[in-house]
Amino acid sequence: DGGITQSPKYLFRKEGQNVTLSCEQNLNHDAMYWYRQDPGQGLRLIYYSQIVNDFQKGDIAEGYSVSREKKESFPLTVTSAQKNPTAFYLCASSIRLAGGTDTQYFGPGTRLTVL
Amino acid sequence: AQKVTQAQTEISVVEKEDVTLDCVYETRDTTYYLFWYKQPPSGELVFLIRRNSFDEQNEISGRYSWNFQKSTSSFNFTITASQVVDSAVYFCALRRENTGNQFYFGTGTSLTVIP
Repeated sequence: DGGITQSPKYLFRKEGQNVTLSCEQNLNHDAMYWYRQDPGQGLRLIYYSQIVNDFQKGDIAEGYSVSREKKESFPLTVTSAQKNPTAFYLCASSIRLAGGTDTQYFGPGTRLTVL
Repeated sequence: AQKVTQAQTEISVVEKEDVTLDCVYETRDTTYYLFWYKQPPSGELVFLIRRNSFDEQNEISGRYSWNFQKSTSSFNFTITASQVVDSAVYFCALRRENTGNQFYFGTGTSLTVIP
């Protein structure tokens, strides 16, 4: 089945530790995205990548890092520099079209809690 | 500035009632795209509809319908004969053309359908 997978579903981290969230897609989509969702708020863009080995910062990139070594994978690292990392993290992907890209499709999310 | 406003934070309806979720957007672009997503309690965002700025035709899909009005910058979503399975958070989003597919999400409307 085609889709986007995120792992783990729940993640607990001690303060001061880095942690990496996994996102994999087998939809053959060029573009991938990471969003953060806090209670009562919409989604905020952390990073996005339109092509392998290239990525751009979104609105709230500080304290996060990404890599895009393979088309199907876009892992997100939450570093100790992120002051308030407890949140729900959503990964998305889309086809890349001329002039922009198309509808984004989302994975099931990872809920990160800092203890 | 690009902005999406969903003024209704929470709505409760009794099963079989109709309900309309409001979405108002701001953009200076002539070409843009509007989306609705559903987020059930499981957390994954499910794509419902995409509409481009040149297509003001209303759309109906089963019990769902969408009313796009450029004159009022609104893209409202109506669920007819609501069901308990419709309980979720619904997000409206705006995407501009030629901007690397940056989505602007509203803060969401939480819909509860009471049996």
